[in-house]
Amino acid sequence: KNEVEQSPQNLTAQEGEFITINCSYSVGISALHWLQQHPGGGIVSLFMLSSGKKKHGRLIATINIQEKHSSLHITASHPRDSAVYICAVGPGGATNKLIFGTGTLLAVQP
Amino acid sequence: NAGVTQTPKFRVLKTGQSMTLLCAQDMNHEYMYWYRQDPGMGLRLIHYSVGEGTTAKGEVPDGYNVSRLKKQNFLLGLESAAPSQTSVYFCASSYMGDYNEQFFGPGTRLTVL
Repeated sequence: KNEVEQSPQNLTAQEGEFITINCSYSVGISALHWLQQHPGGGIVSLFMLSSGKKKHGRLIATINIQEKHSSLHITASHPRDSAVYICAVGPGGATNKLIFGTGTLLAVQP
Repeated sequence: NAGVTQTPKFRVLKTGQSMTLLCAQDMNHEYMYWYRQDPGMGLRLIHYSVGEGTTAKGEVPDGYNVSRLKKQNFLLGLESAAPSQTSVYFCASSYMGDYNEQFFGPGTRLTVL
């Protein structure tokens, strides 16, 4: 069993829909990261959080440390949100290493 | 600032050939990482460095070597390429210590025939 599990693996939505991507992990962590990767593109960090909730524009990330679960929400989705969303956890320690989920491929149709 | 850059962007090798991938960062980061990304799998750590002159093995180090002679550069070498090393390679860097964002390069797509 992977230490970081994401669901769903694939998601198709209509423009304007509210989207939720889930991440569950089985290790103790110091931080959880949400990353975005556009097709053929590089990887950018969206959020880094260790508790509660963070919001950037239409994106919201929440984490429940007790449940070992995080969600990434996209409000009013747009075709430009189409990308792979990757959850990664940092187990802590001086090396800042991360454990990555396999990603969720999101396609937002106009 | 250029951030994290990788050279080359694409490369095709024949089995047994060697090559070096270069990662450079201009953010004065102490930590640097090399990952590989394969279909259906999460990013996997190949090697990493916590400072100039230091390197350490990650999750999948076999068949690769690295060097960090200068703080801003992290080189990944394949001495004798194999088809199993066909992948997309990403470099990343971060500030020292725990709880820091990693900044990723644009990736290198490597095909080994």
